[in-house]
Amino acid sequence: EVQVLESGGGLVQPGNSLKLSCATSGFTFSTAWMYWYRQFPEKRLEWVARIKAKSNNYAADYTESVKGRFTISRDDSKSSIYLQINNLKEEDTAIYYCSTGFSYWGQGTLVTVSS
Amino acid sequence: EIVLTQSPTTIAASPGEKVTITCRASSSVSSMSWYQQKPGTSPKPWIRDTSRLVSGVPNRFSGSGSGTSYSLTINTMETEDAATYYCQQWTTTPLTFGSGTKLEIK
Repeated sequence: EVQVLESGGGLVQPGNSLKLSCATSGFTFSTAWMYWYRQFPEKRLEWVARIKAKSNNYAADYTESVKGRFTISRDDSKSSIYLQINNLKEEDTAIYYCSTGFSYWGQGTLVTVSS
Repeated sequence: EIVLTQSPTTIAASPGEKVTITCRASSSVSSMSWYQQKPGTSPKPWIRDTSRLVSGVPNRFSGSGSGTSYSLTINTMETEDAATYYCQQWTTTPLTFGSGTKLEIK
């Protein structure tokens, strides 16, 4: 059974940093491209970042609004991905989902940015 | 960026009724995926590659389309189908989603 479990969300002040984690099991993680999505309070869904597999040199892509502030990474030995978020803004408030892209999504972790 | 426009935004249907949700892309895409989401849960993969139902999705659902116009159809609405449906394109980054169609039971 595939499992995807996010953690690390919480209430943070604007300008602070946060690191989200996503632990997975039940599939061949090392060859999988992995994704972060987010869903804003108004329910709009947005793709945040993608990290490819070792065979693709772990190449990463980001949506324009997070470039320079978000960094996606992975640890194949732990079947996990991460999202380092710096200089948080109130508009980053959302539920952050880890996903294999289409087929498997975690339950999400809520990030609330507020002073 | 490819913008996906879903319509309608909200629709109410009676059990047994046929329902169609459309997703129009600002540029041609090679295929469309669809998700179903119910309150308090993560999006559930529903249709991939325009018309392939995910395992477990009832066959009253179907997907079709090409180019810039895609649709999700429910042949006979059931109460359990009440949810929000989102389309997503994979053709180019940034990957983008439609704004969602909320389907309610009348």
